[in-house]
Amino acid sequence: DIQMTQSPSSLSASVGDRVTITCRASQAISDALAWYQQKPGKAPKLLVYGADTLESGVPSRFSGSGSGTDYTLTISSLQPEDFATYYCQQYHNMPPLTFGGGTTVGIK
Amino acid sequence: QLQLQESGPGLVKPSETLSLTCTVSGDSFNSDSYFWAWIRQLPGKGLEWIGSVSYSGSTYYNPSLKSRVTISVDTSKNQFSLKVNSVTAADTAVYYCARRWVALDHWGQGSRVSVSS
Repeated sequence: DIQMTQSPSSLSASVGDRVTITCRASQAISDALAWYQQKPGKAPKLLVYGADTLESGVPSRFSGSGSGTDYTLTISSLQPEDFATYYCQQYHNMPPLTFGGGTTVGIK
Repeated sequence: QLQLQESGPGLVKPSETLSLTCTVSGDSFNSDSYFWAWIRQLPGKGLEWIGSVSYSGSTYYNPSLKSRVTISVDTSKNQFSLKVNSVTAADTAVYYCARRWVALDHWGQGSRVSVSS
């Protein structure tokens, strides 16, 4: 199985801050990486797939980048509605699909 | 607009079988371009992919659960189903169904299942 390691596990930030979340795969995944946002009590929402392709309707302040084993989700200017937990997920080698452990973005 | 809705008992007894159904409405169910997935989230924890099924019935399972899990599709009802055998308290979770095209792009709202006597 491909293990996905996210860092940090949590962070505190202010509205307007630039936020970066990192995801590292245990082996190369050829950009087969997605990012999800989950708010309490809600289902996850797809933000990015293919490492850097924004899902339709997702604000342009979100962006994904990376290659090989190392990937990044960036929020260029944090908005109040962005406080949530974010998960990365690989789909290069399955089964199984595997998720990172999550990064919770809280209010500073 | 595609919608997915989980249904099934919210309480299951230990050693019994957990059964959930996901009803898909809107476009796209009758296409082999998609896989239909089950994912669960243990209390206060991250996400775990359980398995997926295609419209034609091809299945993929998480090896960690494969011995206890069956996912099937009922094309006449636009539904796919999950069965988990011999459940324990460790199977208490919110269970989500989702569509997978490239990534998991549409999700149900989730079904909370508790395993308790």
